[in-house]
Amino acid sequence: EVQLVESGGGVVRPGGSLRLSCATSGFTFDDYGMNWVRQTPGKGLEWVSGINWNGGSTGYADSVKGRFTISRDNAKNSLFLQMNSLRVEDAALYHCARVVGLDYYYYYVDVWGKGTTVTVSS
Amino acid sequence: EIVLTQSPGTLSLSPGERATLSCRASQGVSSNYLAWYQQKPGQAPRLLIYGASSRATGIPDRFSGSGSGTDFTLTISRLEPEDFAVYYCQQYGGSPITFGQGTRLEIK
Repeated sequence: EVQLVESGGGVVRPGGSLRLSCATSGFTFDDYGMNWVRQTPGKGLEWVSGINWNGGSTGYADSVKGRFTISRDNAKNSLFLQMNSLRVEDAALYHCARVVGLDYYYYYVDVWGKGTTVTVSS
Repeated sequence: EIVLTQSPGTLSLSPGERATLSCRASQGVSSNYLAWYQQKPGQAPRLLIYGASSRATGIPDRFSGSGSGTDFTLTISRLEPEDFAVYYCQQYGGSPITFGQGTRLEIK
């Protein structure tokens, strides 16, 4: 069974940092591009960042560019999101999402994790 | 960035009825790269349709997708109790990928 399990969420003050992880199983991890997508009641679903199969190509939403860094460890079947300089508006449920292709773009998401919650508050 | 607008925001129907959900794009979606997802409370989104009209593995044939260019539709032919949820469209033909704001399908 394909599984994506996120962790690392929590409560952080504005300006703080968090590192999200996504542990995967049930498929050949380095056959797929991966994304982070966040969800809030107000803004709905928002693409945050993506990475291709070997980590050689990455992309970011303008809202997080320069503050967030996506990475992956294919030996450990894991995806990461380093979030720095967090803002109140970054608070959301962060989903790990697999896309049907080697790149992170021009492919649809076929499997989602349940997400990990990030709260940014003073 | 392609903006997707879903309508209606909320749709109230009874089991057995037909549901028609709309997704309109601010510009043409390349290669009809449009997907539909279903999300129930506390669960991850579930892929229903990709490429505008192809059903994902395991999705019942009462779900169908249609459309091209800027106008897309998800149709549920006969609603089952488990179909009441929130539905999102997503385009993946342009960067960044974007999502609609969702349509809530509720029991009348």
